[in-house]
Amino acid sequence: AQKITQTQPGMFVQEKEAVTLDCTYDTSDPSYGLFWYKQPSSGEMIFLIYQGSYDQQNATEGRYSLNFQKARKSANLVISASQLGDSAMYFCAMEGGTYKYIFGTGTRLKVLA
Amino acid sequence: GAVVSQHPSRVICKSGTSVKIECRSLDFQATTMFWYRQFPKKSLMLMATSNEGSKATYEQGVEKDKFLINHASLTLSTLTVTSAHPEDSSFYICSARREDEQFFGPGTRLTVL
Repeated sequence: AQKITQTQPGMFVQEKEAVTLDCTYDTSDPSYGLFWYKQPSSGEMIFLIYQGSYDQQNATEGRYSLNFQKARKSANLVISASQLGDSAMYFCAMEGGTYKYIFGTGTRLKVLA
Repeated sequence: GAVVSQHPSRVICKSGTSVKIECRSLDFQATTMFWYRQFPKKSLMLMATSNEGSKATYEQGVEKDKFLINHASLTLSTLTVTSAHPEDSSFYICSARREDEQFFGPGTRLTVL
């Protein structure tokens, strides 16, 4: 069975600092995709970054980078130069070839001024 | 980027009534759409896969007679919560698949009194 685990229910980071949000996963599928989404208080899901299981390079999108360690089955999100607007819930998700997403329990990030 | 809309964004209804939520892909055709449910401060749970022109596929534990899904066209899927009760109060989010990408709607907050 596929599973996503986010062990940090809440995180604080000082503005302009970097922060790492943890995500580990479990799957027996050889091909899968890993995603990070941001959910502000309004509720919409905002796509941040994607990593394919066969991608050799770690994904980067602006201030977001994904630290993909396949052997450890981890896909941590790194946000550099945190901004106040980064305060939100962050979900790690996995798609295992059936286009169904499995979400982690989320991490609430609070950026401090 | 692709846009998925949901209507209504917020609905309050009395217990026992039925509520219909629409999910539309605005600028692409989606043969597959997904419905998720999110309890307060919880993760998103996949409820069902909506397939255009065929019956929806429900996840284990989701009552198909309670949550009716109709995918009548390539741009519209509807979720009807029948005989709603307070425990059905939740945030419902749809996503639409375009090729290998998924795009989330903004969500519908249902409150059943």
